[in-house]
Amino acid sequence: TQLLEQSPQFLSIQEGENLTVYCNSSSVFSSLQWYRQEPGEGPVLLVTVVTGGEVKKLKRLTFQFGDARKDSSLHITAAQPGDTGLYLCAGGTGNQFYFGTGTSLTVIP
Amino acid sequence: NAGVTQTPKFQVLKTGQSMTLQCAQDMNHNSMYWYRQDPGMGLRLIYYSASEGTTDKGEVPNGYNVSRLNKREFSLRLESAAPSQTSVYFCASTTGTESGNTIYFGEGSWLTVV
Repeated sequence: TQLLEQSPQFLSIQEGENLTVYCNSSSVFSSLQWYRQEPGEGPVLLVTVVTGGEVKKLKRLTFQFGDARKDSSLHITAAQPGDTGLYLCAGGTGNQFYFGTGTSLTVIP
Repeated sequence: NAGVTQTPKFQVLKTGQSMTLQCAQDMNHNSMYWYRQDPGMGLRLIYYSASEGTTDKGEVPNGYNVSRLNKREFSLRLESAAPSQTSVYFCASTTGTESGNTIYFGEGSWLTVV
C-alpha cells in the first residue's frame, strides 16, 4: 500500500525553468520531509515541515505543507543542472516513515 | 561525524546463500530502520527498531530477519537469498521523538542475487 503519491514521476526541463512536484496522501502526518537522492547515494534531507500550512524556503526551493497535513509541494525556481536528482517525500507518524515513489528530475543545460 | 554506516557496499549472492548487512549509527538515535529501494517502488520499510531491544515488521518483512544488537547497531539478515531480493538496501536512524522527526540514511548496499 502506497500511502504517499508523488507526481510527476519523471520531469525533464530546461535550465532556468520553474517546476512544482506534488506529494499527496489520504493520511494525516505529524511531519513531512523532502529528500533529494543522487545516484549511488542515500537520500539526503532537504526540509522538514510540521505545521499545517507551513511554508519553508531554502534558496530557490519552496516547500509547503497542506493545511490538513496530508499533502505537500516542492517548487523550484530557475532550475539548474545541479538540481538533477530523485526527490522523495516522506510522511512521519510516530516512529514510522512512509515514502513516496519519488520524482526523477533532469535539468538540461 | 560518520552518521549512519552500512556494510557491505556491494554484494553478489547465489540463490539460497545467506548474508548479513551491518549498520551502525553514532548519533545516539533510538530508532533504526531497514528499507529497500526498487525502481518505481520508492523506499519500502522491511523492519524497524523503535528502541534497543525491540524490533517490528514493516511493509515487506518476508525473507528477512533483524537484530538490534545494541543502541548503535541494527543488522539485516537474509537466510536464503532469492532473486526477488535483488535491491538497494538502506539503513536509517532517527531520534525517535515525535515532532519534527528526521530520518538519516546510510549510503546504501547494492545486493544482487543470481
